[in-house]
Amino acid sequence: AQSVTQPDIHITVSEGASLELRCNYSYGATPYLFWYVQSPGQGLQLLLKYFSGDTLVQGIKGFEAEFKRSQSSFNLRKPSVHWSDAAEYFCAVASVGAQKLVFGQGTRLTINP
Amino acid sequence: NAGVTQTPKFQVLKTGQSMTLQCAQDMNHEYMSWYRQDPGMGLRLIHYSVGAGITDQGEVPNGYNVSRSTTEDFPLRLLSAAPSQTSVYFCASSLGLGDYGYTFGSGTRLTVV
Repeated sequence: AQSVTQPDIHITVSEGASLELRCNYSYGATPYLFWYVQSPGQGLQLLLKYFSGDTLVQGIKGFEAEFKRSQSSFNLRKPSVHWSDAAEYFCAVASVGAQKLVFGQGTRLTINP
Repeated sequence: NAGVTQTPKFQVLKTGQSMTLQCAQDMNHEYMSWYRQDPGMGLRLIHYSVGAGITDQGEVPNGYNVSRSTTEDFPLRLLSAAPSQTSVYFCASSLGLGDYGYTFGSGTRLTVV
């Protein structure tokens, strides 16, 4: 069965610092991979997605993620975080032809001024 | 377009009561799903639908019923509310899961006392 692991429950970084959020997945074939962001009290917004092609994908709000098949990872990065990036981030995976997404547990990001 | 609309936004129920959480989308999406979000557990799939008249169970279906009589609507019914069903519920829809990911509603915060 598909599964997603986000090893970091909570990360704190300083404003202007770089950010990397980790995501590892378990799936036999090449999956569809997603990162979502959830601001407090809000629904989830799609940041970026990967399903084929270039393994480095660009998303909204200056985020990018890199798919590494050998490591079964899809880590999210941002070169310089802003206070408005404070939120919870979810990695998700779907199999080709699947009708549902499987989510990781989420990583809560706090930004220090 | 309104996107995915969930009502109500907040609800308090007494144990044993029943209620329906409403979800409507105006994007002509075939895929619709219900998730619940609990602290430290990410989002867990309750039920999903790949089109009108077709529904299936997700990871945590017990205590919930769904139906899909139209493309636009996908209500979630709690048959006899229990405190364990206290959660935030999200409805999501997609044109085609793999290529698009899901569009989420803003959620319903349900408390069962």
